Amino acid sequence: QKEVEQNSGPLSVPEGAIASLNCTYSDRVSQSFFWYRQYSGKSPELIMSIYSNGDKEDGRFTAQLNKASQYVSLLIRDSQPSDSATYLCAVCSFSTGNQFYFGTGTSLTVIP
Amino acid sequence: DAGVTQSPTHLIKTRGQQVTLRCSPKSGHDTVSWYQQALGQGPQFIFQYYEEEERQRGNFPDRFSGHQFPNYSSELNVNALLLGDSALYLCASSVGLANTGELFFGEGSRLTVL
Repeated sequence: QKEVEQNSGPLSVPEGAIASLNCTYSDRVSQSFFWYRQYSGKSPELIMSIYSNGDKEDGRFTAQLNKASQYVSLLIRDSQPSDSATYLCAVCSFSTGNQFYFGTGTSLTVIP
Repeated sequence: DAGVTQSPTHLIKTRGQQVTLRCSPKSGHDTVSWYQQALGQGPQFIFQYYEEEERQRGNFPDRFSGHQFPNYSSELNVNALLLGDSALYLCASSVGLANTGELFFGEGSRLTVL
């Protein structure tokens, strides 16, 4: 069973719309959750971290965490063409020796 | 403030050869982790180094080995290269062993095995 699962997409949204990216994880004792953005041929770049249930907002990005449902999501408001990238969900917990487990990523395309 | 730096950025090897990849962590960071990212996949954890010792290891064979130096920089060595070792190798740095905080990645070393 995969530790972290994401829809691979591709997900296409028009410019200015809200993009919604979802992630589920299998380890109930996971403590830390991250969203990374990865442009083609580049390394992952951290855009959001969330540690507690609920929402966390940073500019146009909102991360949502529901530990009971083992679900974390990322909303991108007012999507821009520059948001076109692959978004990786990552999960970390003490039970796995602080290893980060990544999903396969969701490819997002924002259409001008 | 220098971020995570990796070298070389690209390299081509043939099956059976050996490769060494290098990483310098972000200033102030003392923990280095290595990840392998195959095309179309998420990064897969190889191992983590802290205080010059391998602390955690993912599901990778012994052909993959590493080292951490007193200045916190690190090397990843892969012996007896296989075609399937072709991937982007990412180094990530962080602070402390018990950290469940943020990982900062270098730009990666893209290895092609022919």
